[in-house]
Amino acid sequence: GAVVSQHPSRVICKSGTSVKIECRSLDFQATTMFWYRQFPKKSLMLMATSNEGSKATYEQGVEKDKFLINHASLTLSTLTVTSAHPEDSSFYICSARGGRGTTDTQYFGPGTRLTVL
Amino acid sequence: GNSVTQMEGPVTLSEEAFLTINCTYTATGYPSLFWYVQYPGEGLQLLLKATKADDKGSNKGFEATYRKETTSFHLEKGSVQVSDSAVYFCALMNSGYALNFGKGTSLLVTP
Repeated sequence: GAVVSQHPSRVICKSGTSVKIECRSLDFQATTMFWYRQFPKKSLMLMATSNEGSKATYEQGVEKDKFLINHASLTLSTLTVTSAHPEDSSFYICSARGGRGTTDTQYFGPGTRLTVL
Repeated sequence: GNSVTQMEGPVTLSEEAFLTINCTYTATGYPSLFWYVQYPGEGLQLLLKATKADDKGSNKGFEATYRKETTSFHLEKGSVQVSDSAVYFCALMNSGYALNFGKGTSLLVTP
């Protein structure tokens, strides 16, 4: 089946620093990748939609200058949390949509736990 | 806008009990509907899906039927196992292919 990886799985950083999270589709080309944020005991909230070679589309209320998304290739998207603050601590999950006919199927990465001290 | 509402739980059942997790949606048109499962310490996995009205998705003994008249997609399993303990998310797909999730229902199955 389709596999999506995320790196790192967990990261702890100091307030004010930047953190980069990678999302890779390992065995398929992802035309679209999505970044979600999951709060404890709450659902996943879509942050942005990322299409290869174009600018990401951010959801209302998500600061695009704080959460930088780069989708440089069909197998890699990165999320950079800039000048992180404790309120950015969360579980970040990416998903990738494959393009071989199964347009309504997304494959999720295992998530990245970010803790900002 | 589109939204998904599901019972929040937690739901605690004994092994071999019948499971129902309710999910209703609000959407324009007829979006594809999904159930995802998140086992402890793992990422989201697609459990089943339905792409049009009256479709029944099924996998691993779980079933859900796309009910247009009641805008529902309830998840059912006739006999749960301890290994089914997880968080279950109902979701619909928006026009841009992003998923709109319910808040998740935690299921604990005891021996």
